[in-house]
This record gives sequence, structure tokens and C-alpha cells, in this order.
Amino acid sequence: EVQLVESGGGQVKPGGSLRLSCVVSDFTFSNYSMAWVRQAPGKGLEWVSSISDTGSFRFYGSSMKGRFSTSRDNARNSMFLQMNGLRAEDAAVYYCTRWSYDIRGYPYFDNWGQGTLVTVSS
Amino acid sequence: QSVVTQPPSASGTPGQRLTITCSGGRLNVGVNFVHWYQQLPGTAPKLLMYMTDHRPSGVPDRFSGSKSGTSASLAISGLRSEDEGDYYCATWDDGLSRPVFGGGTKVTVL
Repeated sequence: EVQLVESGGGQVKPGGSLRLSCVVSDFTFSNYSMAWVRQAPGKGLEWVSSISDTGSFRFYGSSMKGRFSTSRDNARNSMFLQMNGLRAEDAAVYYCTRWSYDIRGYPYFDNWGQGTLVTVSS
Repeated sequence: QSVVTQPPSASGTPGQRLTITCSGGRLNVGVNFVHWYQQLPGTAPKLLMYMTDHRPSGVPDRFSGSKSGTSASLAISGLRSEDEGDYYCATWDDGLSRPVFGGGTKVTVL
């Protein structure tokens, strides 16, 4: 069974930094693009970032550009999200997700981790 | 405000058929597949339907998806109490060049 396990969440002050990790198992990690999706308390889902299977291509939501950086280590079946300059509005549960592609080549999130909570507060 | 909209809530009685809509435009729902995610209380989202009308392994055939023009629908037949939760549609937006989610629909079984 595909598993994705996030870690690294916690409380941080505005302007601070945090690094999230996602370790996966039971699928060939290096064959898949991956993504982060977040959910603010009581709110809906928001795509944060994506990274291609080799790590060569990285994409970010508009409010994350310049502050967040996604990377991966295929040898360790791991993906990371480095978050700098955190704001109150970044507070959310962050989910690690696997991307699959539909027949038109567009992605969807076919597996999700349990999420890790990020709190931004002074 | 999302470019893809859902009603905030929907409800039905056990055994009833319930339909949730997902409305978009010509750059997203109108031209791309729609996917649906189910989030039961206190849990992570789970893929419920992909490419508009395909069910992942393990999803009961009580769930079905369809699309017409710029609107997609998720139908739940034989509604059960365990279906209570939030349902999100998602698609790719060709104008924004990114995935977009609907705001979610909270399903209540009366």
C-alpha cells in the first residue's frame, strides 16, 4: 500500500522558517512527480508546490514564490518543503501528495499523506 | 475566490441519491478532466473519482461522476452515514497553468 508520511510541522513565529519532510514507501518514488497541498484551519484545499520526478522542474503557487522551495532526494524516497518568511496566512495542515497524470497529461493527486500542522504565531 | 465553485453544503437522508455540482469555465472544467476528493472528518483527503468518471480501486460504485459543458457532478446513490464529510472537485486551469480546487461541499446525512 502506498504510504506518504509527513513530518517537520510545528509552531513558528512570523518571519520564521520551517522545513517539512515527506517519506514515501511502496512505490517507485523516482517515477513520480510529487506535490504539496495545504489546508488552512476550517478552509479548503490549496495547491502549494510541485516537483517533477527528477527534481528538474519545480512549480509554486503565486503566494509561495520566492519564499518556499521544494526539493527531493530520490535515493532516500523523500521530498522536502523549505518555508521561509512565514506569515500568519501560511498556517495550515500541509499534505504530501503523489501526482499522477490523466490521459491529457494533466496532473491529479492520487495519494495523500496524513498531513503535518504548521502554526504561525508570535 | 476559486475559479471553480461548489455549493458549500448538501444533505440527504439515508438511501437517498445526492448530487454535488462543480461549476467552472471554459479554461478549466470546460476543457479538462475533473477529479473528486473525499475528506472524512479528521482525516486527510482521499481520491474518490479521477478523470471525471473513473473510480479508484476500492471506491464503491455508489459514487459516480459526470460532466456537461463547464459543470461536473458527483453523485452518491444509496447515501450512508459514513459518507458524511467534505467533498472537493479539482481540475487543471489552462489560464492559470496550475491545478485548482473547488471550495468544497460539506455533505450531511440527516
